[in-house]
Amino acid sequence: KQEVTQIPAALSVPEGENLVLNCSFTDSAIYNLQWFRQDPGKGLTSLLLIQSSQREQTSGRLNASLDKSSGRSTLYIAASQPGDSATYLCAVRARTNAGKSTFGDGTTLTVKP
Amino acid sequence: KAGVTQTPRYLIKTRGQQVTLSCSPISGHRSVSWYQQTPGQGLQFLFEYFSETQRNKGNFPGRFSGRQFSNSRSEMNVSTLELGDSALYLCASSWGQGGSDTQYFGPGTRLTVL
Repeated sequence: KQEVTQIPAALSVPEGENLVLNCSFTDSAIYNLQWFRQDPGKGLTSLLLIQSSQREQTSGRLNASLDKSSGRSTLYIAASQPGDSATYLCAVRARTNAGKSTFGDGTTLTVKP
Repeated sequence: KAGVTQTPRYLIKTRGQQVTLSCSPISGHRSVSWYQQTPGQGLQFLFEYFSETQRNKGNFPGRFSGRQFSNSRSEMNVSTLELGDSALYLCASSWGQGGSDTQYFGPGTRLTVL
């Protein structure tokens, strides 16, 4: 059974700082890993999708890496801004039962002005 | 292109009632998945539909059911509501089946059971 863990559960940083969010998963036989952000009471916004054959993906100030063999992914946010404050979730799609995404519990990020 | 839409956005029901939630995927997307989000359990997979067929199902009781129509719109139904069914219900759409595509989520339906 796939399990996804995100550490830390909460993170508070001053504006302008670079930061890394972590995601680990137990079954390395994955299709892909997707990072989302969720604002309070809202749906999920897709940030980056990394296929199992890829090592990283970049979008603007965001960079996500994937190390399938060790079961880890990181989301790097450069030059953080108060608008980045949200909960960040990672989701893994395993090769067995690929229609299902398994989510971590998220990291709640607060960027202080 | 319009995003994933979900209706209604908010619902209040009482125990024992039933409820139907609706999800319209992004135009051209044929896969729709449903998730339940609660503070205690996080995001839990309910089921996935592709081309009007349920392809995957999570570990929820039979009170939770769904269907998909020929235009890819999907509905989920919960019968005999319990207090523990209070949650944010999210649907996600993607282009194809198989898990290789980006999932796009709707804003969710907030269900409160009294």
